[in-house]
Amino acid sequence: EDQVTQSPEALRLQEGESSSLNCSYTVSGLRGLFWYRQDPGKGPEFLFTLYSAGEEKEKERLKATLTKKESFLHITAPKPEDSATYLCAVQTNTNAGKSTFGDGTTLTVKP
Amino acid sequence: GAGVSQSPRYKVAKRGQDVALRCDPISGHVSLFWYQQALGQGPEFLTYFQNEAQLDKSGLPSDRFFAERPEGSVSTLKIQRTQQEDSAVYLCASSLATSNEQYFGPGTRLTVT
Repeated sequence: EDQVTQSPEALRLQEGESSSLNCSYTVSGLRGLFWYRQDPGKGPEFLFTLYSAGEEKEKERLKATLTKKESFLHITAPKPEDSATYLCAVQTNTNAGKSTFGDGTTLTVKP
Repeated sequence: GAGVSQSPRYKVAKRGQDVALRCDPISGHVSLFWYQQALGQGPEFLTYFQNEAQLDKSGLPSDRFFAERPEGSVSTLKIQRTQQEDSAVYLCASSLATSNEQYFGPGTRLTVT
């Protein structure tokens, strides 16, 4: 059974304090790993897709990386508006339509 | 352009009632997905469609849950004889192709009393 574990569950940072969120996965045949951001009361918003170990994607203060067992979302010099829950999800080669999500990391950035 | 829309945004049902939740995907998106999200948890897969074909319904919790997408566009998730454990946010997402990134609607919060 595909499993996705995110850590930590919650993270509190001061504005400008860089950190990383972790997404560990156990799947048979990774098709793609996705990062989403979810604000309270809203649906998840797509951030990145990673397909193979060693791949990196960047967008503003966020950078996502992928290894064979985990992915990291690095946040550099965060701002209060980066506060949200960050979700990762995996798709497998055997069933690309069935995404498995982790339970997310709730990030709070204090000014 | 217009994103994914869902209606109603909030629904309160008495235990035993039937409910219907609607999803309007982004125009031209072939794939449509339904998820259930409990408070403090990630979305749980329910089912997905490619055009009008329901290709995987393995995540539907029971035979009280039924989804359809008859013309390959709008989709409806129906829950019969609602139970308290059905209380959750139901998210709909669409994508250009099944393995592409998904675009989510705002969700429908269902409360069963």
